[in-house]
Amino acid sequence: QKEVEQDPGPLSVPEGAIVSLNCTYSNSAFQYFMWYRQYSRKGPELLMYTYSSGNKEDGRFTAQVDKSSKYISLFIRDSQPSDSATYLCAMSAEEYGNKLVFGAGTILRVKS
Amino acid sequence: NAGVTQTPKFRILKIGQSMTLQCTQDMNHNYMYWYRQDPGMGLKLIYYSVGAGITDKGEVPNGYNVSRSTTEDFPLRLELAAPSQTSVYFCASSYRLPSNQPQHFGDGTRLSIL
Repeated sequence: QKEVEQDPGPLSVPEGAIVSLNCTYSNSAFQYFMWYRQYSRKGPELLMYTYSSGNKEDGRFTAQVDKSSKYISLFIRDSQPSDSATYLCAMSAEEYGNKLVFGAGTILRVKS
Repeated sequence: NAGVTQTPKFRILKIGQSMTLQCTQDMNHNYMYWYRQDPGMGLKLIYYSVGAGITDKGEVPNGYNVSRSTTEDFPLRLELAAPSQTSVYFCASSYRLPSNQPQHFGDGTRLSIL
């Protein structure tokens, strides 16, 4: 079993749709949670960062963490073709030296 | 606005050859990292460094070596290239611990071993 599971997709949605991207994890020690966006042939860039449980909103993006269920989500409202990318979840724990553990990434395609 | 610069962008190697992947950052970050990204597997940490002269192994260090003689540079060395090392390699840097500081990534080196 992988430490972090993420559906690889691809997930295809029409422009303007609400997108839900998810990751599950097995290690309850994880306490920092991040979402990275990766465009084709580019390096990942940090989108959202949350600590412990709760919600965080930034423009059209909302990150949710449910530590009791070991489940994190990224919601994208009013999705745009420019949101088409691979979305990687990542998490870390102090007891592991805060090294990031990444999910495999979900490919998102937003059609105009 | 260079950020993290990786060279080369593409490379084809023969089995048994060696090469060095270059990584330079101009943000004065203490922490630097090397990852490999294989299809459907996410990013795996190869080596990392918390400052000049200090390096440590990540999850998949076998077949690789690193050095950190300056804050800016963190080269990754492949000594005897093997087909299993065909991958996309990303270098990243951060100011402090990656859990509370964003990691800034380069655009990767695509390496094929034939």
